[in-house]
Amino acid sequence: DGGITQSPKYLFRKEGQNVTLSCEQNLNHDAMYWYRQDPGQGLRLIYYSQIVNDFQKGDIAEGYSVSREKKESFPLTVTSAQKNPTAFYLCASSVLAGVHNEQFFGPGTRLTVL
Amino acid sequence: GENVEQHPSTLSVQEGDSAVIKCTYSDSASNYFPWYKQELGKGPQLIIDIRSNVGEKKDQRIAVTLNKTAKHFSLHITETQPEDSAVYFCAASKAGGTSYGKLTFGQGTILTVHP
Repeated sequence: DGGITQSPKYLFRKEGQNVTLSCEQNLNHDAMYWYRQDPGQGLRLIYYSQIVNDFQKGDIAEGYSVSREKKESFPLTVTSAQKNPTAFYLCASSVLAGVHNEQFFGPGTRLTVL
Repeated sequence: GENVEQHPSTLSVQEGDSAVIKCTYSDSASNYFPWYKQELGKGPQLIIDIRSNVGEKKDQRIAVTLNKTAKHFSLHITETQPEDSAVYFCAASKAGGTSYGKLTFGQGTILTVHP
């Protein structure tokens, strides 16, 4: 059963703590993406990766970090430097970043900072 | 960078009516325009897309039109059904440089179809 999985579905963290969101895909896709979704603002790109061991900042990378050690995994760390981390986080993947291919989205992780 | 504006933010229709959502983009180099549907608590799912060498594309009850000169594109849903109720996002993308695959999304439209 191919697809993108994100865990956990809900995540709570105390202010000042780092937290890592998981994203795994078994679609053999080259590119992976992290988006943040806030009400009324659509989806904003945090980071993206076209190949293993390489990634690029998106529009709102401050306070976030990523790694791409394996093709199928692209974890996102929300650091304590992110001023307003409460949001819905979506991971996506596509066949190849160099052409316009469909981005497949995971079910998302809702992060709440207490 | 690219800016995508989407209207309306909410849309309420009766079952069987048509629904139209409009988007404008700022970068004339954008050449790929997908539409996504997001159901409550789920990730967005691609429903239709159009490339800049095409003016219109249709898939059953949904269609997308593109006006490159005016830099706007629209989603048309005919014979709406309650299961069409969701949030719809438009997006724009362009090829070249480091922008490959990067989508810029509109703010979303909450569509409600009343039985």
